[in-house]
Amino acid sequence: EAQVTQNPRYLITVTGKKLTVTCSQNMNHEYMSWYRQDPGLGLRQIYYSMNVEVTDKGDVPEGYKVSRKEKRNFPLILESPSPNQTSLYFCASSALGTDNEQFFGPGTRLTVL
Amino acid sequence: AQSVAQPEDQVNVAEGNPLTVKCTYSVSGNPYLFWYVQYPNRGLQFLLKYITGDNLVKGSYGFEAEFNKSQTSFHLKKPSALVSDSALYFCATARGGGADGLTFGKGTHLIIQP
Repeated sequence: EAQVTQNPRYLITVTGKKLTVTCSQNMNHEYMSWYRQDPGLGLRQIYYSMNVEVTDKGDVPEGYKVSRKEKRNFPLILESPSPNQTSLYFCASSALGTDNEQFFGPGTRLTVL
Repeated sequence: AQSVAQPEDQVNVAEGNPLTVKCTYSVSGNPYLFWYVQYPNRGLQFLLKYITGDNLVKGSYGFEAEFNKSQTSFHLKKPSALVSDSALYFCATARGGGADGLTFGKGTHLIIQP
């Protein structure tokens, strides 16, 4: 089954404790992206990657890091989480091209205390 | 910068009635427009897209959308609403500028009342 998986689905942590949210896709997509969803703000792009070892900032990259060492994986790293990073996070992937639909993971709900 | 706006936070429709969820866009060049749906505790699912061609686009679950260039709109429609259509709907446009990915509207809660 074609899918994007994320882990963990739920995470409660404390300020400053480094964490990683994993994302993996099995569709051989070149493009992968992370979004955060906040009430009243819709989804905002954090980082994206158009291929292995190629990453770039989205609209709200501050406080986040990513890496793309393999085509299928695109982890999101919060080196020192803060309460304002409490949010619902989605990973997405697609074939390259602005007219291609994106496939979304199920989401990770993060709470930073 | 490319952007989309969803003017309604919530739309209430009686089951069996037609529904419309509104979206307007501000895009330089040719617009690539999308609708996604999010059910509770789920990720976003693709419904339909407009790239070029026919202004009426048909998508999943009986939804369609009408692209209107003069009004810069891309409203989502369905002739007869089902209770199961209740969800959060997002309009989106391609970011452009050589960067893939989407810019989303704030979302519209669609509530279908039995």
